[in-house]
Amino acid sequence: ETGVTQTPRHLVMGMTNKKSLKCEQHLGHNAMYWYKQSAKKPLELMFVYNFKEQTENNSVPSRFSPECPNSSHLFLHLHTLQPEDSALYLCASSRGGVSSTDTQYFGPGTRLTVL
Amino acid sequence: QKEVEQDPGPLSVPEGAIVSLNCTYSNSAFQYFMWYRQYSRKGPELLMYTYSSGNKEDGRFTAQVDKSSKYISLFIRDSQPSDSATYLCAMRAPGQNFVFGPGTRLSVLP
Repeated sequence: ETGVTQTPRHLVMGMTNKKSLKCEQHLGHNAMYWYKQSAKKPLELMFVYNFKEQTENNSVPSRFSPECPNSSHLFLHLHTLQPEDSALYLCASSRGGVSSTDTQYFGPGTRLTVL
Repeated sequence: QKEVEQDPGPLSVPEGAIVSLNCTYSNSAFQYFMWYRQYSRKGPELLMYTYSSGNKEDGRFTAQVDKSSKYISLFIRDSQPSDSATYLCAMRAPGQNFVFGPGTRLSVLP
């Protein structure tokens, strides 16, 4: 079991629905990340938060909206998604800051299907 | 040219074989290199972390970095069916975000 949890593990939604993904880390880290993983493609970095501040938005469409209320929790709010947004959404955390040994620890992911 | 390239496989080997997994990259600023293992329906799990060039060994796993060739490898000795998974390489430059390869799917057959 990793120190990063994600809920729900599976989500099926219509294109007009609004839903949220939740991530929680129990590792005392200061940086949290959202990634999208599609079949046979590299992990796509979506958002990065360092010390609760968003430091990266990798040209993600506005139908994805992140929220980081504190260093332990990260949300991804979803609305009016498209079928091509179906993928595994992974949350990760790391110590953050300028640590040269910073490595990421991943949650189990949320398998999202958009109908 | 993609920033990090990795043969997607699938790679099938018999139990007990030595497995070699590789990534090439184009950004000479990368200094930190990682290998992750991802089982089906799970998130990636950190296996190995190396800094700059050289080798690092941990049990049956050895990670090698050759910065001059922009090439990294993960060797698995005495491979087991439980090693069947997708292996992702990841790397980053100082102060930059992580960049991942697409992963190689490995099957170790009993």
